[in-house]
Amino acid sequence: KAGVTQTPRYLIKTRGQQVTLSCSPISGHRSVSWYQQTPGQGLQFLFEYFSETQRNKGNFPGRFSGRQFSNSRSEMNVSTLELGDSALYLCASSFGSSGSPLHFGNGTRLTVT
Amino acid sequence: ELKVEQNPLFLSMQEGKNYTIYCNYSTTSDRLYWYRQDPGKSLESLFVLLSNGAVKQEGRLMASLDTKARLSTLHITAAVHDLSATYFCAVDNSSTGTASKLTFGTGTRLQVTL
Repeated sequence: KAGVTQTPRYLIKTRGQQVTLSCSPISGHRSVSWYQQTPGQGLQFLFEYFSETQRNKGNFPGRFSGRQFSNSRSEMNVSTLELGDSALYLCASSFGSSGSPLHFGNGTRLTVT
Repeated sequence: ELKVEQNPLFLSMQEGKNYTIYCNYSTTSDRLYWYRQDPGKSLESLFVLLSNGAVKQEGRLMASLDTKARLSTLHITAAVHDLSATYFCAVDNSSTGTASKLTFGTGTRLQVTL
């Protein structure tokens, strides 16, 4: 069974640019969550989508947005990149039901210069 | 705002020894998850604890949850080098109880030496 797939694995962008990250969940999983991991702030929740609807949102500025498609694939967009956005962005999928653990992808390492 | 604290942050232990990692959280929740992360890798799910008194064991690891004390523990028995990794606890902060919004602890970096 294929795991959660994130593309691209690495990305280098310049301040002010925008970026789109992609996530393909495990087949049958309808919930996709996004997390940012940095050495200073640790793992922080960005948002979660279930059946194309944003169900939960973390405390990130509006520059961070996402969406989910009918096939459960999800994209995350960051506009007007800042140096502080450099991080590992992790996508996780689950069935979205009570007690379902999250299955994480390998992440996209974003570097903003 | 939910806060999740783990201690210790770093743990160096010898093979064969036992130790416990603690995870304290600040609000009521009866859903807690433990994950493992190897350097440069993603997070791997270890345990799902869904009620007060829940205990789960897998190999040399055992996790428990005390919702009244807002405390979870991850106990390591007779550590081996392969257990070296960073361990995270995460509390379900969603209103639906579906792990749709997890708050992670700071992580405990475990180093098992020969």
